[in-house]
Order: sequence, then C-alpha cells, then structure tokens
Amino acid sequence: GAGVSQSPSNKVTEKGKDVELRCDPISGHTALYWYRQRLGQGLEFLIYFQGNSAPDKSGLPSDRFSAERTGESVSTLTIQRTQQEDSAVYLCASRQTGGSYSPLHFGNGTRLTVT
Amino acid sequence: GQQLNQSPQSMFIQEGEDVSMNCTSSSIFNTWLWYKQDPGEGPVLLIALYKAGELTSNGRLTAQFGITRKDSFLNISASIPSDVGIYFCAGQLASNYQLIWGAGTKLIIKP
Repeated sequence: GAGVSQSPSNKVTEKGKDVELRCDPISGHTALYWYRQRLGQGLEFLIYFQGNSAPDKSGLPSDRFSAERTGESVSTLTIQRTQQEDSAVYLCASRQTGGSYSPLHFGNGTRLTVT
Repeated sequence: GQQLNQSPQSMFIQEGEDVSMNCTSSSIFNTWLWYKQDPGEGPVLLIALYKAGELTSNGRLTAQFGITRKDSFLNISASIPSDVGIYFCAGQLASNYQLIWGAGTKLIIKP
C-alpha cells in the first residue's frame, strides 16, 4: 500500500485482557517506531526497530508492553493484562534510513479503550 | 532528558488571520520537522528543515530552522477552516535517530 497501515482502527477491551496491535510499514522503510498518544497529549515514544538490529525498547512503560518485528515487515505491539491507563491512541510510523534524513510517515493509529 | 517547549498550547483565531507558533529547546538539533494532526488520523509531515538558518515554504506555510539550532517557528498565512488541527514540532538530535516532540499547538478557527 501507499502508506502505513494499522489495525484494528479501534479496539475496546476489558481490563485484564491482552491486546495485539498491528502495523504494516511502507514497503522499503527499514525503521519503524511505535508511539502512544493520550487524549489531548503529544507523542510518547515506546519502541524503535531498525532492520535486524536489536530494538530500542527504552520507551516501553512496563513489562506488560512488548513488540516484535520480523525483518523489515509487519510489527505487532502487545499489551498484556491491560489497565485503564493504557487507553490511548497507539501510532506506528516508518521511514527510510541511510543517506539524508527521511521523515516519519505515520499510520492513523489504533484507538484503544480499556473498560 | 531533552525537551521541546512548544507554544502556544492553543490558538483561537479568525479565518484569514496569520498564525505563528514556535518550538525551543536547550539541546541542539540537526533536523526540525513540523507535522499536522487531524482528528482520528496520524500526524502528517508539513515541512522538514535540515540546515541552520533554512527558511522553507509549503504553500501558505513557512518554517525556519533557527541559527542556534535550538529553535524553529512555523507561520501560516491567511488561515482557512481546513487549517484546524494540532501542529507538532519535532527535532532530531545530532547524536542519534530519536525524535524529540513538542506537546502540540491546537489551532481553532472561529468562523
């Protein structure tokens, strides 16, 4: 596809359940980021993948959060035992690397509501 | 950690007015980016700045990369209703790939 695709677009889950969010980056983009955006807030960095290098997980807020990416393709963000404070929009972004800086391209996000 | 101070937090303006917003930091950046986010969507890149002093336009939008490399501004001329949204600045540190984000400026246009 032409842009970053995220699914589902909306997810409502009960507190304590696990959720899995998916991101399809732009083809050829080696770098992939996950961000969290709470209502009315800015972007909070969660995790960064670059090719086959070890991911930068420094932004993950707790061990309930994890993410995977196989090569330069799809990434999944998993939240275990969801809490109400996990309610937010989860944004995925990708970009090319190498050469001059290439800006991030964002998906439309997954709006997660934990009841 | 590094922070970007983005101001104003929100703006209420009349259609046709010019808009100005800015970001400042205590850190030096080698790239400044300005994004716009519409409701229910991800941020979309408006302007990218790569060199200190650079002034770049994109239609009615103009942005500048400050000479000190610690600040940037975005101007919107003759605002129209579709300019409504949240504008974010982001800077990339010279030392790594990470982007530091401002908290956003919410633009509201009074009809």
